[in-house]
Amino acid sequence: AQSVAQPEDQVNVAEGNPLTVKCTYSVSGNPYLFWYVQYPNRGLQFLLKYITGDNLVKGSYGFEAEFNKSQTSFHLKKPSALVSDSALYFCAVRDSGGGADGLTFGKGTHLIIQP
Amino acid sequence: GAVVSQHPSWVICKSGTSVKIECRSLDFQATTMFWYRQFPKQSLMLMATSNEGSKATYEQGVEKDKFLINHASLTLSTLTVTSAHPEDSSFYICSARVEGGGSPLHFGNGTRLTVT
Repeated sequence: AQSVAQPEDQVNVAEGNPLTVKCTYSVSGNPYLFWYVQYPNRGLQFLLKYITGDNLVKGSYGFEAEFNKSQTSFHLKKPSALVSDSALYFCAVRDSGGGADGLTFGKGTHLIIQP
Repeated sequence: GAVVSQHPSWVICKSGTSVKIECRSLDFQATTMFWYRQFPKQSLMLMATSNEGSKATYEQGVEKDKFLINHASLTLSTLTVTSAHPEDSSFYICSARVEGGGSPLHFGNGTRLTVT
């Protein structure tokens, strides 16, 4: 079975400071990893993904994430936070070896950027 | 590209009635679509995988007869909540993926269902 853990319910960052939203995962095979953002009463928007290759992946809106196989982590980062980054962020995983076709999501982390 | 349209965005219905939610892939074909349910301040729970031309695959604990899924074409999947009750009130989100295991899911904007 695959699973995702987002240990922080909420992360508070001052505008202009770097931000990190943590994610760890568990799959039996190699992971496909994704980050999504959700604004109130809306669906999820895709930010970035790791499939293979370079461990540092860059995505939309200046976000990036680093895949760390030994720590089974895929933390989301941004060098300088904006107030508009405030939203709910989900990490998701799928086993590249097959099995469940859908994604398994973490419980989400509320990111609050303070002006 | 890869836009998923979900309709309606919100619906209020009376207990005992049925509600149909549509999910369309606008610019790509989706042999597989996914239906999720999200409770307030919680994560997405996969309800079922909708397969074009065949029966949906339901996750454990999801009632097949209550949540009817039809995937009649490569661009449309529907979720019908039958005999709705207040506990069915929730945010329902559909998603689809352009073919390829490493492709991300693209999500509709969700449907807020309130059963009175």
